[in-house]
Amino acid sequence: QKEVEQNSGPLSVPEGAIASLNCTYSDRGSQSFFWYRQYSGKSPELIMFIYSNGDKEDGRFTAQLNKASQYVSLLIRDSQPSDSATYLCALYSGNTPLVFGKGTRLSVIA
Amino acid sequence: EAGVTQFPSHSVIEKGQTVTLRCDPISGHDNLYWYRRVMGKEIKFLLHFVKESKQDESGMPNNRFLAERTGGTYSTLKVQPAELEDSGVYFCASSPTGPKNQPQHFGDGTRLSIL
Repeated sequence: QKEVEQNSGPLSVPEGAIASLNCTYSDRGSQSFFWYRQYSGKSPELIMFIYSNGDKEDGRFTAQLNKASQYVSLLIRDSQPSDSATYLCALYSGNTPLVFGKGTRLSVIA
Repeated sequence: EAGVTQFPSHSVIEKGQTVTLRCDPISGHDNLYWYRRVMGKEIKFLLHFVKESKQDESGMPNNRFLAERTGGTYSTLKVQPAELEDSGVYFCASSPTGPKNQPQHFGDGTRLSIL
């Protein structure tokens, strides 16, 4: 079982809709969770980070963490074409500094 | 504030040659990390420096890879001799403190192609 699982996509949503990106992980000791956005050929850019169970909101983005079920998700409200990118889920478990999933490609259709 | 910068952005070399990648972290960031993404795979951790000391090098593939951070500022990652499987994108990241509660800031990466 991979440590961090993401659906590779592409996930296509119409402009203005809510995009829901999901990530599951295997290490119950994972402590910190990060969502990065990556445009082609560019650096991963931090979008959100979350440490505690529940929701964390920042503008159009909401991160949700459920440690009992071992999943973390990212919701993007009012999706824009500029949100089209690959979204990387990463976590810190006390061992390796960051463990990444393969990423989900999001395509927002105008 | 300048971000993490990496040089070169692209490198194409032949198998058996040597290549050195450079990373300049954000000023004041004591923690510096190297990661690699091989085509079709996830980004994987290679090495973590705290200032000039190697905190964790458990991700380094083999002894053909040598990372240094003399003086605790910029870092270099040398591959000698390069093999075909070393092709990929090498990312550098930095953070002020350790990885637990401090997000890492990434550079644009060096795309390395071994022919």
